[in-house]
Amino acid sequence: KAGVTQTPRYLIKTRGQQVTLSCSPISGHRSVSWYQQTPGQGLQFLFEYFSETQRNKGNFPGRFSGRQFSNSRSEMNVSTLELGDSALYLCASSLTVVRGEQYFGPGTRLTVT
Amino acid sequence: SQQGEEDPQALSIQEGENATMNCSYKTSINNLQWYRQNSGRGLVHLILIRSNEREKHSGRLRVTLDTSKKSSSLLITASRAADTASYFCATDARDNQGGKLIFGQGTELSVKP
Repeated sequence: KAGVTQTPRYLIKTRGQQVTLSCSPISGHRSVSWYQQTPGQGLQFLFEYFSETQRNKGNFPGRFSGRQFSNSRSEMNVSTLELGDSALYLCASSLTVVRGEQYFGPGTRLTVT
Repeated sequence: SQQGEEDPQALSIQEGENATMNCSYKTSINNLQWYRQNSGRGLVHLILIRSNEREKHSGRLRVTLDTSKKSSSLLITASRAADTASYFCATDARDNQGGKLIFGQGTELSVKP
């Protein structure tokens, strides 16, 4: 099976712009979670989607949003980018009927200048 | 902070030695997981231990869990240079609605050949 894929892998944006990141889960996985990783705050949970519904949300401002499509692919959007949004954004998928391990993609490295 | 604590923050050993990393967490959990991350890439799942288990083995990995102390340890035996990476513990909290893992700050392991 192909692993979790994320596009793009690298992105440079300027303050005030918006960005959309994409994640394709492992085939058959219906849950997709997003995490932000920074040197200062570490790995922080953004949100999780299952069957196109957001089930869980982390403590991030409303500028961070996401959605999931009927094929389980997910996108996250960050509007009005700030310098502090520079981070590695990781997507993970899982078989959610039994809570267990998550399978991570390689991440999107976002740099905001 | 919701995140757990890991110690040590950094560990440097010689090939063939054992490496032990510790993790403490704050809430009641369903399970605790360990992940490895190489150089800012995606995370790789190593092992999962459920709250009713005390010890688990997988190859050269041994994980223990003490729910009364809210702590876990990861032991890597006979370490190799290829084990050089950051290691994170992650908890699936009991009151979690799904998909959310709370990560520790990580231990950076360096194995010298």
